[in-house]
Amino acid sequence: GESVGLHLPTLSVQEGDNSIINCAYSNSASDYFIWYKQESGKGPQFIIDIRSNMDKRQGQRVTVLLNKTVKHLSLQIAATQPGDSAVYFCAESHGQNFVFGPGTRLSALP
Amino acid sequence: DAGVIQSPRHEVTEMGQEVTLRCKPISGHDYLFWYRQTMMRGLELLIYFNNNVPIDDSGMPEDRFSAKMPNASFSTLKIQPSEPRDSAVYFCASSLAGVRLNEQFFGPGTRLTVL
Repeated sequence: GESVGLHLPTLSVQEGDNSIINCAYSNSASDYFIWYKQESGKGPQFIIDIRSNMDKRQGQRVTVLLNKTVKHLSLQIAATQPGDSAVYFCAESHGQNFVFGPGTRLSALP
Repeated sequence: DAGVIQSPRHEVTEMGQEVTLRCKPISGHDYLFWYRQTMMRGLELLIYFNNNVPIDDSGMPEDRFSAKMPNASFSTLKIQPSEPRDSAVYFCASSLAGVRLNEQFFGPGTRLTVL
């Protein structure tokens, strides 16, 4: 499929458990962050975003945490389901400049 | 809505050949983006258009790459001549109102392999 990730870090989680995926960003001036989900054979899909004036944002079963002190972003997925299996990656942006992270492959184990 | 459409889905070519990737954005979207995704570099923005006009092509790696948008419903990314290091997945994305990441809808991508 059209996804990159044969050698990405992999996180294996039991179905029903929570998943935590981490991302370190590089630019302290970045003021907007986004998490994507990329399934095999598909393009990146927006999951959730957060601005730098916040440290936490919740969506449906997903929570993003931002720690600007250490330039760290995390994505928490509650009650992981088989359909959550995919590659997840973050992006940071400042104005019209954006940088995408390499990604983590999440596998939900039955 | 069919979403962003890209063709071909897979392309295998030999070094030195010309490669043309095609994209049809979502109808009514004014912005179109071309990205490249590799294991080594992740997802990178190559170029984007607004109302068919190239706005920022600073991500285009070198002169071998060119992109056009002859009308609101069609764009091409051309590599001539292609090299093995061009092997990657190329994504097209479109958005209605601007360049914000959360407003961009991605196509399924074209996996390019240059032998």
